[in-house]
Amino acid sequence: GAVVSQHPSRVICKSGTSVKIECRSLDFQATTMFWYRQFPKQSLMLMATSNEGSKATYEQGVEKDKFLINHASLTLSTLTVTSAHPEDSSFYICSAGPRVTNTEAFFGQGTRLTVV
Amino acid sequence: GNSVTQMEGPVTLSEEAFLTINCTYTATGYPSLFWYVQYPGEGLQLLLKATKADDKGSNKGFEATYRKETTSFHLEKGSVQVSDSAVYFCALSRTGNQFYFGTGTSLTVIP
Repeated sequence: GAVVSQHPSRVICKSGTSVKIECRSLDFQATTMFWYRQFPKQSLMLMATSNEGSKATYEQGVEKDKFLINHASLTLSTLTVTSAHPEDSSFYICSAGPRVTNTEAFFGQGTRLTVV
Repeated sequence: GNSVTQMEGPVTLSEEAFLTINCTYTATGYPSLFWYVQYPGEGLQLLLKATKADDKGSNKGFEATYRKETTSFHLEKGSVQVSDSAVYFCALSRTGNQFYFGTGTSLTVIP
């Protein structure tokens, strides 16, 4: 099946620094990718929709200036957590699908971010 | 709007016990329904899915039937194993890419 690769799987950073997370579709082109965040013991919540060649669409309550999304090619989307704070510590996961309708998406392995 | 309500955990079962995790949904139109599994330290893996009413998804001994009349998609397995210990997420999607997830149910199977 289709593969989505996410990197890094774990990252620890200091408060105030920025962290970039990459999401790649390895064997298909993805015009749209999705970024989710999972708080401890809670479900995954959609943060934003990443659109190739255009601006990302953010869900209500998600700070677009803090969570920068760049979808520069059909196989790569990046999420940059800027000026990270401990409350940004979470599990971030991306998804993408090779077709538009009526199929499942493929999820990356996720990134565990810890801000100290 | 679209939402998924999932049975809260954690659930602890003995090996070979019967498992049911309840899931109901609210959606406009006719979504596809999914169960994803997250093993410790890993990302989400698709467990099974159903794309229309009365469809039954099945995989690895797990089953779920898309019930439009009760807007449900309950997950069942007749005999759980220790290796089934994980967090299970019910989800719906109308577009095939954007998902709405339940809160997840943690399952622990003890020998």
